[in-house]
Amino acid sequence: DTEVTQTPKHLVMGMTNKKSLKCEQHMGHRAMYWYKQKAKKPPELMFVYSYEKLSINESVPSRFSPECPNSSLLNLHLHALQPEDSALYLCASSQQTGADEKLFFGSGTQLSVL
Amino acid sequence: GESVGLHLPTLSVQEGDNSIINCAYSNSASDYFIWYKQESGKGPQFIIDIRSNMDKRQGQRVTVLLNKTVKHLSLQIAATQPGDSAVYFCAEIPNYGQNFVFGPGTRLSVLP
Repeated sequence: DTEVTQTPKHLVMGMTNKKSLKCEQHMGHRAMYWYKQKAKKPPELMFVYSYEKLSINESVPSRFSPECPNSSLLNLHLHALQPEDSALYLCASSQQTGADEKLFFGSGTQLSVL
Repeated sequence: GESVGLHLPTLSVQEGDNSIINCAYSNSASDYFIWYKQESGKGPQFIIDIRSNMDKRQGQRVTVLLNKTVKHLSLQIAATQPGDSAVYFCAEIPNYGQNFVFGPGTRLSVLP
């Protein structure tokens, strides 16, 4: 199994809503990532979890709250988002061996904030 | 030909021709590079990687060239097919770190 699975595929939410994005991988990878991608732009790193601990937070606003319940799961909790937060949110994982760090991406959640 | 402007740079090639997609990277300390392909509605998909101690690596129909002197990376696709139409991103990774930095991307359009 070489897949990173993200749910939901599409999400529409109001600015007062609370929602969560979910990501799962069963490749035994020990690093998991959240990226944000606007249309016609490259992915931008938001958070990295390494061995279930938050290792990188790229100055992301607190209305985005990541959570790593175990080595296979990664969540992104959303609260009080702004319309400019509308984007494709990508989850990725990597082996974390130091010798082969290619990222494996999920298909993303397309988020629209109204 | 290739066009760069306010929109994503686009490279248009005839089916069957070879494609060359270029990328300039910024960090001379980067020691690992990856090319990704992203189709509409999907996440980026790994194509090929190269380490800084190499200047060329070949895969199936793809070749990556690395020129560290001018900090330039290129992806060559042989006998381009309609299924190759996508946006291609290069990514650089400094010192076995986790902060992958993606280039701006190039849209490859394959003409029949």
